[in-house]
Amino acid sequence: AQSVTQLGSHVSVSEGALVLLRCNYSSSVPPYLFWYVQYPNQGLQLLLKYTSAATLVKGINGFEAEFKKSETSFHLTKPSAHMSDAAEYFCAVSHPNNAGNMLTFGGGTRLMVKP
Amino acid sequence: GAVVSQHPSRVICKSGTSVKIECRSLDFQATTMFWYRQFPKKSLMLMATSNEGSKATYEQGVEKDKFLINHASLTLSTLTVTSAHPEDSSFYICSARGVESSGANVLTFGAGSRLTVL
Repeated sequence: AQSVTQLGSHVSVSEGALVLLRCNYSSSVPPYLFWYVQYPNQGLQLLLKYTSAATLVKGINGFEAEFKKSETSFHLTKPSAHMSDAAEYFCAVSHPNNAGNMLTFGGGTRLMVKP
Repeated sequence: GAVVSQHPSRVICKSGTSVKIECRSLDFQATTMFWYRQFPKKSLMLMATSNEGSKATYEQGVEKDKFLINHASLTLSTLTVTSAHPEDSSFYICSARGVESSGANVLTFGAGSRLTVL
């Protein structure tokens, strides 16, 4: 079984400040890991994914995440927040050997950016 | 890249009616489609997994007679909410897994459908 925990359902940062959204996973084998973003009234959009290549993954809009096996973490970061980054972010895990590639999602973190 | 088109994006219906949501894979064949539901202030919950040409596999607690899923072709899956009630109001999202013409495996989400039952 696999699971994902996102610490903090709400995170508030000032514009220009560092964004750090935390994600810890549980998996019996090295997983594939994903970060998705959902802007208001829109569907999910893939930010970045880790699939056993480089542990530091760069995504769209300046986001990146680092896979740390020893910490079972895949935290999402961005050096400088923009107002347009305000959205809900979901971390997800899938089992590489799962033919269905079913995703297990974390509870989501709502990012608020203050001017 | 692989695109999944989900329609309608918004639908409002009266209690007791049925609503159909379509999920189409564009430019690739979707061998497996997943249907998720997002409850307010909560995360996405997988409802069911469907493979083309076979019956959908429903997650525990999801009523298969209430949420009818059809995956009759490699490019189309439909979710029908039968006899909808206000508690069925939610955001429904599909995702499709398949292989592009390039041979790359893809897993892509639709834009979601917001259902409001009055």
